[in-house]
Parts: sequence; structure tokens; C-alpha cells
Amino acid sequence: EAGVVQSPRYKIIEKKQPVAFWCNPISGHNTLYWYRQNLGQGPELLIRYENEEAVDDSQLPKDRFSAERLKGVDSTLKIQPAELGDSAVYLCASSLGLLASRDEQYFGPGTRLTVT
Amino acid sequence: AQSVTQPDIHITVSEGASLELRCNYSYGATPYLFWYVQSPGQGLQLLLKYFSGDTLVQGIKGFEAEFKRSQSSFNLRKPSVHWSDAAEYFCAVGDGSGNTGKLIFGQGTTLQVKP
Repeated sequence: EAGVVQSPRYKIIEKKQPVAFWCNPISGHNTLYWYRQNLGQGPELLIRYENEEAVDDSQLPKDRFSAERLKGVDSTLKIQPAELGDSAVYLCASSLGLLASRDEQYFGPGTRLTVT
Repeated sequence: AQSVTQPDIHITVSEGASLELRCNYSYGATPYLFWYVQSPGQGLQLLLKYFSGDTLVQGIKGFEAEFKRSQSSFNLRKPSVHWSDAAEYFCAVGDGSGNTGKLIFGQGTTLQVKP
């Protein structure tokens, strides 16, 4: 079975430019997560979707970050405008969504963003 | 607030030697505990998890972890390390009471394996 797909894998942009990341979760997974992983740190949750509903976006910097999962399948995370401090790896994960905290989260390879 | 501490940022062991990676957590109720491994350029892969019951849990790739409530620890062990185990390891605590699916990760431990 295909895993979580993310694109692009790498992105280099200048500050103040917009950027978007795309994620396609494992087929049948209702819950989708976006994490940010700074260098030398563990992932930190940005937003969690159950189907098309964002059920936890408390850690998403809403002044510049936005996300959508319109049909409850794939998702896009956008930053506009990007700042130097946004350089990080952006990870997408998905889970079945049946057991909530007991669900295994499956992670994609991530998008490494460099803001210059 | 929930938190996870991995005291060792970097560990080096010889191939064939035993391994123990430390993890301490802070959580008010019964935690759900996880260990993930991340190889360079790869996503995180679940090694093992603990929800309840037997405090010694077995995972993939020969790893095991022991939950010790009195010490708020969930240390990862492997009796004999292979060169392919070199990677970054993350301990995480899940929301066991609120059942939100949210994971809090530690900062990770980088494992280097000497030949």
C-alpha cells in the first residue's frame, strides 16, 4: 500500500514569498496531521483534520499560515508571507481516525523548507 | 502540561552492543507512550507503543521499552545494535484522557553506531 505522499520534498524561497505544501494521506485514513519539525527538535503539531474539519488548529500561526482539506482527502498547507524562522521540515501524517489517541500515525517524508 | 524529555541528544554505541535510550514524560493522567524512529530523509516510523497492561512492550526491529510509572519513564532498549539502527529516535506522549490524537514529541536522540 502507498504511504503518505508529500510534495515537494525540498523548497527554497526568499523571505516574504508564498509557499505551499501538498499531502496525500493513506487511502481510507480520515485523520490528517501537519507537523513542523525544527532542526534538532521533535515534530510539533500545527493542525489536525478529521475528514474535512480542522479539529485542532491551536498551534497554527494564523496570521501567515493556512491549511485546507476540502474533500477530506488530500491537504495543502500554505505560508504567506514566509519568514526566515519558517525554515523547517513540514511533515504530514495520517491515521485511520477510529481510535483517536490510540491510532498509529503514519508519516510522510516531509518537505524541507529553506527561507533565505 | 504534557511534556517529554529525552536527556541524551546524541549516543554512540558499538555494533553488537546493547542500547538504552531514555525518555521521561510529564502527564497528569495515564499516558499513551510511543517511540518513533526517523532515518535521514525519511518520515517517522512507529517502533512501539504503550497504552495499558504489561509494562514491557515489544516492538519492531528487536526493540522493546519498559513503562515505569514511578519514574515517569519509558526507556527504549535493544540487546544488540546493528549498523542499520543508526537514526534519530523520538519518544512521544499521547493524550490518553482527552483522546484527541495529539502527540507531544521529545527533542530526539541521535544514535550513531560504530563498526
